[in-house]
Amino acid sequence: DAKTTQPNSMESNEEEPVHLPCNHSTISGTDYIHWYRQLPSQGPEYVIHGLTSNVNNRMASLAIAEDRKSSTLILHRATLRDAAVYYCILPSGNTPLVFGKGTRLSVIA
Amino acid sequence: NAGVTQTPKFRILKIGQSMTLQCAQDMNHNYMYWYRQDPGMGLKLIYYSVGAGITDKGEVPNGYNVSRSTTEDFPLRLELAAPSQTSVYFCASSYRASGNRETQYFGPGTRLLVL
Repeated sequence: DAKTTQPNSMESNEEEPVHLPCNHSTISGTDYIHWYRQLPSQGPEYVIHGLTSNVNNRMASLAIAEDRKSSTLILHRATLRDAAVYYCILPSGNTPLVFGKGTRLSVIA
Repeated sequence: NAGVTQTPKFRILKIGQSMTLQCAQDMNHNYMYWYRQDPGMGLKLIYYSVGAGITDKGEVPNGYNVSRSTTEDFPLRLELAAPSQTSVYFCASSYRASGNRETQYFGPGTRLLVL
């Protein structure tokens, strides 16, 4: 997998938007950008993925830089339930996903 | 659909004992995976399978064995448990036709303590 860089931790107030950054300067033209999150004491769950255009779903939005060397996961209104570790992953070829340390998001009530 | 199920949820083993962690999926996924996660760390891939009868090593395969006799099941075997195998084990599955767009679905995990 292409290397990604994420901040170790971030903090947000409840009901405010959260922007989680990810740098992936070595991304190739065919690499999709995937985001997963892991709630406490649970397995990871898929959040969103994209290739070039910005993407929206019921959980979040994904903003992809024009040069694709960075992306931002956007939670429009953070809730306490969004406190989790967020992983930015670029799968490549037929290899399984590689999970780094991700960003630990804390949400303050 | 139940998705990915894992049993047991929690187990305590003595050093040298053996056990099998069970994993099953009902989504007809061709790919299945075993990861382990140590406290405060990311997930590390142990083994994976691209279909029935085919398995391959991941990053940390030593001390483990797997088999994939059916599409649905992917058990992980620990033959001689060691304290270093104390961890949370996650099974996952995905459907991959081509490219790298598929989504992995994870089970709830098995917490293993080796004393």
